[in-house]
Amino acid sequence: DADVTQTPRNRITKTGKRIMLECSQTKGHDRMYWYRQDPGLGLQLIYYSFDVKDINKGEISDGYSVSRQAQAKFSLSLESAIPNQTALYFCATSPSGGYNEQFFGPGTRLTVL
Amino acid sequence: GDSVTQMEGPVTLSEEAFLTINCTYTATGYPSLFWYVQYPGEGLQLLLKATKADDKGSNKGFEATYRKETTSFHLEKGSVQVSDSAVYFCALSGYTGGFKTIFGAGTRLFVKA
Repeated sequence: DADVTQTPRNRITKTGKRIMLECSQTKGHDRMYWYRQDPGLGLQLIYYSFDVKDINKGEISDGYSVSRQAQAKFSLSLESAIPNQTALYFCATSPSGGYNEQFFGPGTRLTVL
Repeated sequence: GDSVTQMEGPVTLSEEAFLTINCTYTATGYPSLFWYVQYPGEGLQLLLKATKADDKGSNKGFEATYRKETTSFHLEKGSVQVSDSAVYFCALSGYTGGFKTIFGAGTRLFVKA
């Protein structure tokens, strides 16, 4: 089984709808991240959490919110989706205690019509 | 703040050619440096890393050396294969970034048979 899972893998929705993307991990890591990837571009950090009680905004948090329900679960919500939020979304985890590599989920492809 | 600059793609090579993807960084202190690879339809995965000056990271025939004097971490492979076709991201994680990871824009590699 994958260490970092994301659901759904693909989602098509309409403008104005509320959408939740979920991330679960079995790696036991404290740190979790949400990124957005647009075609031909690198990764942009949306939100990150270094433990269950810690939530921080990234570069592009406007229009997004997150919830860290447990060490293993970190959800990303789009309160009112708009077409320019069409992108590939990745969840990642890393262990605490230094400058460590990140482990990525397979991604969620979101299309907002 | 910390930043990573990598060569723009796409890079197109024939099988068995030599590969270099340039990466330079700006950071204070002593960050850890990483190369991640993203195969089509997948999330990023760590390819190699180096945690201090003059360290060489290596994996699957790829190598990169942490050069503090030139603030570089260039990725090399002596003989590429078609299966190496992917997007490659240079990244760093350091104190001034608050333990977050800063990613380069990515370089797409196409290898022709």
